[in-house]
Amino acid sequence: QQQVKQSPQSLIVQKGGISIINCAYENTAFDYFPWYQQFPGKGPALLIAIRPDVSEKKEGRFTISFNKSAKQFSLHIMDSQPGDSATYFCAASHVRKGTALIFGKGTTLSVSS
Amino acid sequence: DAGITQSPRHKVTETGTPVTLRCHQTENHRYMYWYRQDPGHGLRLIHYSYGVKDTDKGEVSDGYSVSRSKTEDFLLTLESATSSQTSVYFCAISDPNYGYTFGSGTRLTVV
Repeated sequence: QQQVKQSPQSLIVQKGGISIINCAYENTAFDYFPWYQQFPGKGPALLIAIRPDVSEKKEGRFTISFNKSAKQFSLHIMDSQPGDSATYFCAASHVRKGTALIFGKGTTLSVSS
Repeated sequence: DAGITQSPRHKVTETGTPVTLRCHQTENHRYMYWYRQDPGHGLRLIHYSYGVKDTDKGEVSDGYSVSRSKTEDFLLTLESATSSQTSVYFCAISDPNYGYTFGSGTRLTVV
């Protein structure tokens, strides 16, 4: 049972373009939706996160869009740069219940210069 | 990563041998987690701890055990390593305000 489905598996974007990664979840009790960025040989690092009481959160070039009724959320990377080339993971959890994060399978992003 | 260290960073072991991985934190966080990362599977939860001596199973706990006798240390033990346990293991700690902080990982190869 895959509770968090992430797509696409891989993505190639030109420098300056917009990268979009999508995630869908099943458990309506989830109340915390973070995105993590991972570079080769490193552990994942928190990039940006959203709670279900807002539909969008923006931090610099990174934006999370959240659609509660569709049980979907997405990461948009504006003006993508070669330094953004990494693996991105979406995740979800029920914070108030203290459940651990459940991760999507990841998206490998390559930004070509 | 600041505040969390994993040891060893790399290990090669033989099938059937016991292996213990260590996660050490200096942040005094209550929650600690062990995940494994495999190509095509993302990060999957093995076990987690919500306090000293308080642990629970995750999605892929078979063949693994954990112990937490001190707030700062969370140990993951493979009782009898198998080739299917070849993976990269990540420890994480959590703070309610800042999400998870992951260690740098342990690359384990079982031959």
